Amino acid sequence: GAVVSQHPSWVICKSGTSVKIECRSLDFQATTMFWYRQFPKQSLMLMATSNEGSKATYEQGVEKDKFLINHASLTLSTLTVTSAHPEDSSFYICSASRSSAIQETQYFGPGTRLLVL
Amino acid sequence: KQEVTQIPAALSVPEGENLVLNCSFTDSAIYNLQWFRQDPGKGLTSLLLIQSSQREQTSGRLNASLDKSSGRSTLYIAASQPGDSATYLCAGLYNQGGKLIFGQGTELSVKP
Repeated sequence: GAVVSQHPSWVICKSGTSVKIECRSLDFQATTMFWYRQFPKQSLMLMATSNEGSKATYEQGVEKDKFLINHASLTLSTLTVTSAHPEDSSFYICSASRSSAIQETQYFGPGTRLLVL
Repeated sequence: KQEVTQIPAALSVPEGENLVLNCSFTDSAIYNLQWFRQDPGKGLTSLLLIQSSQREQTSGRLNASLDKSSGRSTLYIAASQPGDSATYLCAGLYNQGGKLIFGQGTELSVKP
């Protein structure tokens, strides 16, 4: 149990286009979902936290108008990279938890690799 | 500032060796400390989770320790195997903000 999927697993797009990445909790309801970004040979950096039905909370330095997060249901959150540029190329990983309580386990998705040409 | 640091960044050992990966954190107000494994181009696999009230956790050949007073955690891997080759990440879940703060990872290579 507690499986999280991401789609697509990898995507290549042209500079200036928008890309949508989906994060789904397959066998549980995820009140809270997290989006992370990982550059090559670097650690995961939290981008934003989203709670179902409310606006996402973005970390300092993350542009909310560029990285649009929607968490419209208890099993799906989406991250849209708008007007993507080569510097947005990265590995994007989501995680999901049953609630926002600190003791809830975060279950991680397999990640989505984005390459912007 | 809440920071998690891992040293070394990379480690290469021959098969069969016991090894220790290090993780240090700057703020002792952590809720728990977690160790993950990441294979190239893949997501995270949770290995061990140590609550702030615990000193260590064991799973098979893996043993993780936590010393809040010194801000350190270690991951001990016994009798290493080539299949253990991966990047190992530690992450502290902090009481303030409830966020997971990740270290940079240690890239482990176990040579047959």
